[in-house]
Amino acid sequence: QVQLVQSGAEVKKPGASVKVSCKTSGYTFTSYSISWVRQAPGQGLEWMGWISVYNGNTKYAQKVQDRVTMTTETSTNTAYMELRNLISDDTAVYFCARVRADWSVFDYWGQGTQVIVSA
Amino acid sequence: DIQMTQSPSSVSVSVGDRVTITCRASQAISKWLAWYQQKPGKAPKLLIYAASSLQSGVPSRFSGSGSGTDFTLSISSLQPEDFATYYCQQANSFPWTFGQGTKVEIK
Repeated sequence: QVQLVQSGAEVKKPGASVKVSCKTSGYTFTSYSISWVRQAPGQGLEWMGWISVYNGNTKYAQKVQDRVTMTTETSTNTAYMELRNLISDDTAVYFCARVRADWSVFDYWGQGTQVIVSA
Repeated sequence: DIQMTQSPSSVSVSVGDRVTITCRASQAISKWLAWYQQKPGKAPKLLIYAASSLQSGVPSRFSGSGSGTDFTLSISSLQPEDFATYYCQQANSFPWTFGQGTKVEIK
């Protein structure tokens, strides 16, 4: 069965970086792309970006594009999202999601990773 | 960027009621629209894609319709497990965007 398992919760100070992993299984990793979505406390869903596992192409949301890097490691079927220069507004649950190629929808999701940014 | 506006923001209903949620895009997106259900502390779950196609395993009481700029998600007879927050999402063009969510609460 398709699974996306994310790394554990993180507490970071403002200005630090965080790297969240998303280990996938149950499907051919290179046949689907991955997106990252975050959700601040009590708020809605915010799309952060997309990466093609096939060729490494990326698209980022303007809000984070200067601070985020999304990568994949095909040897371990794992996707990564690194966010730098953290601010308090980055406190959120971060989700990875598999993207269906035909309609660009998120058909499987990771369980979420809580990132808290606090001095 | 394409803005997605959902209405209502919240709705109080009883088990067995029919619920309709609307989502409006700031520009035409053809049928590039998905609906998700999210329960507290959980990841979202895909319900509908391509505006009206039911994701595998999703009960048939869920249905979607629309194209262009106006879309609806309907739940024909609300069940206790359907109380959740629902989001629309456009995938017509980057950046992909979500609606602000509609919380379906128990009356």
